Amino acid sequence: AQSVTQLGSHVSVSEGALVLLRCNYSSSVPPYLFWYVQYPNQGLQLLLKYTSAATLVKGINGFEAEFKKSETSFHLTKPSAHMSDAAEYFCAVRDNNNDMRFGAGTRLTVKP
Amino acid sequence: DTAVSQTPKYLVTQMGNDKSIKCEQNLGHDTMYWYKQDSKKFLKIMFSYNNKELIINETVPNRFSPKSPDKAHLNLHINSLELGDSAVYFCASSPRQGRGQETQYFGPGTRLLVL
Repeated sequence: AQSVTQLGSHVSVSEGALVLLRCNYSSSVPPYLFWYVQYPNQGLQLLLKYTSAATLVKGINGFEAEFKKSETSFHLTKPSAHMSDAAEYFCAVRDNNNDMRFGAGTRLTVKP
Repeated sequence: DTAVSQTPKYLVTQMGNDKSIKCEQNLGHDTMYWYKQDSKKFLKIMFSYNNKELIINETVPNRFSPKSPDKAHLNLHINSLELGDSAVYFCASSPRQGRGQETQYFGPGTRLLVL
């Protein structure tokens, strides 16, 4: 079964610094990969998704993720962190059976 | 224009009680889901309904029963609440079942606390 692993339950960066949130997937078939963001006391909001059309996926709020099959990775990046980016980020994988599996989440803290 | 809405937002209740959480989506989607997010933020799917038919049941105790009066609603009824049921429950919907690239749209969550 497909699964994702998020390395680092907590990432802290300074405002303006690069954001890198790691996600590795396990899948025997081409995966559909997603990144969601959860702001405090809110539901999940889709940031971006990979559907095999392009390996570099651009999402909302300046985030992007690159699908690397050789590394089975789908890391999320943003060149310059804003205070408003502080949230919980979830990587997820879905296979053709529509099972959606979330990673454990990474809490991003942005320091002024 | 709320796409996926849940009520109540907060629910505090005693152990042993029976409670329901309601979910409605106005997106015209065919498939709806219930997820449980524990205190460590781990999200686990509980149920999904496609055109009112249950298609996933991830070893959830039978105290939990989803009820779908129509494809725009998927309610979650919980009998004999236990302390371990305390969590945030998220409803979600997607256009169609069986299409892996379909985005799931999430509701704001219902925070359940069992005392």
